[in-house]
Amino acid sequence: SAVISQKPSRDICQRGTSLTIQCQVDSQVTMMFWYRQQPGQSLTLIATANQGSEATYESGFVIDKFPISRPNLTFSTLTVSNMSPEDSSIYLCSVRTESNSPLHFGNGTRLTVT
Amino acid sequence: EDQVTQSPEALRLQEGESSSLNCSYTVSGLRGLFWYRQDPGKGPEFLFTLYSAGEEKEKERLKATLTKKESFLHITAPKPEDSATYLCAVREDSSYKLIFGSGTRLLVRP
Repeated sequence: SAVISQKPSRDICQRGTSLTIQCQVDSQVTMMFWYRQQPGQSLTLIATANQGSEATYESGFVIDKFPISRPNLTFSTLTVSNMSPEDSSIYLCSVRTESNSPLHFGNGTRLTVT
Repeated sequence: EDQVTQSPEALRLQEGESSSLNCSYTVSGLRGLFWYRQDPGKGPEFLFTLYSAGEEKEKERLKATLTKKESFLHITAPKPEDSATYLCAVREDSSYKLIFGSGTRLLVRP
């Protein structure tokens, strides 16, 4: 399975600012995903990061709020823009190495917005 | 609408006390059902994939089973280190997405 590194592991940010989260994988992967896990809740897919094209966003998530980059097959970033306390959550990067393989996750970024 | 429901929400066991966690799902066509373990401060760790009714997978004290409507994660003689949140997720035919349940928080007391 792939080794996934996320940075930062945690951060405390002020309302109205933005934070960019990085996800680095130790091998080339076809699909990369960004999930959100709000306190006490399950994982919700934000978007699929597509290499060489715009990300595909799920219902309820928009590019202006969560811009995503994927410059190559091993790296992606998620930016949480114009943050509010409601954005306090764990943000998780995940990858699928083959079409039928399970998702593997990084350790997440714990974001607190004050 | 596709749905994944896990029960119970929380479970406390004594060390050695076997039990089962449930994952009920409704999808139009199941491509795979996945079990994950999540420790505090960590991302979900993959445990099992089940693809068809009747299939079973085992790993140490864990055994996952699958029917057409639900999956069970059986924990035999658990140890305190089995304490974690266990997540179930399904992938529908022709979809790349995983739909997660809300998890079962397991606490095993010594």
